Amino acid sequence: KAGVTQTPRYLIKTRGQQVTLSCSPISGHRSVSWYQQTPGQGLQFLFEYFSETQRNKGNFPGRFSGRQFSNSRSEMNVSTLELGDSALYLCASSLYRETDEQYFGPGTRLTVT
Amino acid sequence: SQKIEQNSEALNIQEGKTATLTCNYTNYSPAYLQWYRQDPGRGPVFLLLIRENEKEKRKERLKVTFDTTLKQSLFHITASQPADSATYLCALDRYSGGGADGLTFGKGTHLIIQP
Repeated sequence: KAGVTQTPRYLIKTRGQQVTLSCSPISGHRSVSWYQQTPGQGLQFLFEYFSETQRNKGNFPGRFSGRQFSNSRSEMNVSTLELGDSALYLCASSLYRETDEQYFGPGTRLTVT
Repeated sequence: SQKIEQNSEALNIQEGKTATLTCNYTNYSPAYLQWYRQDPGRGPVFLLLIRENEKEKRKERLKVTFDTTLKQSLFHITASQPADSATYLCALDRYSGGGADGLTFGKGTHLIIQP
C-alpha cells in the first residue's frame, strides 16, 4: 500500500505571497491532519479534515486554511506569507480519527524569504 | 494550560544497553498516548499506542508504560542498536468541549546509540 505523499517537497516563497501544499493520504484513510514543525515549537496541529469537512482546528491564524476533496486528497493554503511561516509542513492520514495512529508524509519544507 | 515535557537534551546510550525516554504531562487527562520516531528530514513514524487503562505495552524490543497517577509515560528500547538513533516524540490526544481536538506532541528526545 502506498504511503502518504506530499507535493512539493521543497518550496521557496517571498513574504506576502501565498502557497498551496498538497497531500494524498493512504488509500482508504478518511482523516487527514496537517501539522507545522519548527525547531522552536516542535510539531503543532493545524487542522484535520474528514469527509471533506474541517473537523478540528488548532491555534493558528486564519491565513492558514485547507480543504479536502471527495477522494480524501487534501490541500493546505497559507496566504500573506510571513518569515515565521518557514517550517516543515507535515500531512498525516488515519482511518477515522485524528487521534488514531497517524501515518505521516515526508513533509514540505517551506522557506519564506 | 496543557503541557507535555520530554527531555530536550540528547540521550547517549551504549549499544546493547536499554534506552529509557520519559514523557511527562500536566493539566491533561488523555485517553491514550502514542510514541513516534522521527529521522532527520522525514515525517514521524508511528511506533506504539497505549490506552489509559493499560499499564504496559510491548512490541519487539520496544516497551511503553503509562502511569496516569504520575502523569508519565516511559519508552524503553532494549538491546539498543545504532540504527535506533533518532528523535522520539510522544503525543497525547487532546479533548476540548465534546470531542477530540487533535494530537499534541512533545518536542521530542534525540537518542544517540553509540557503538
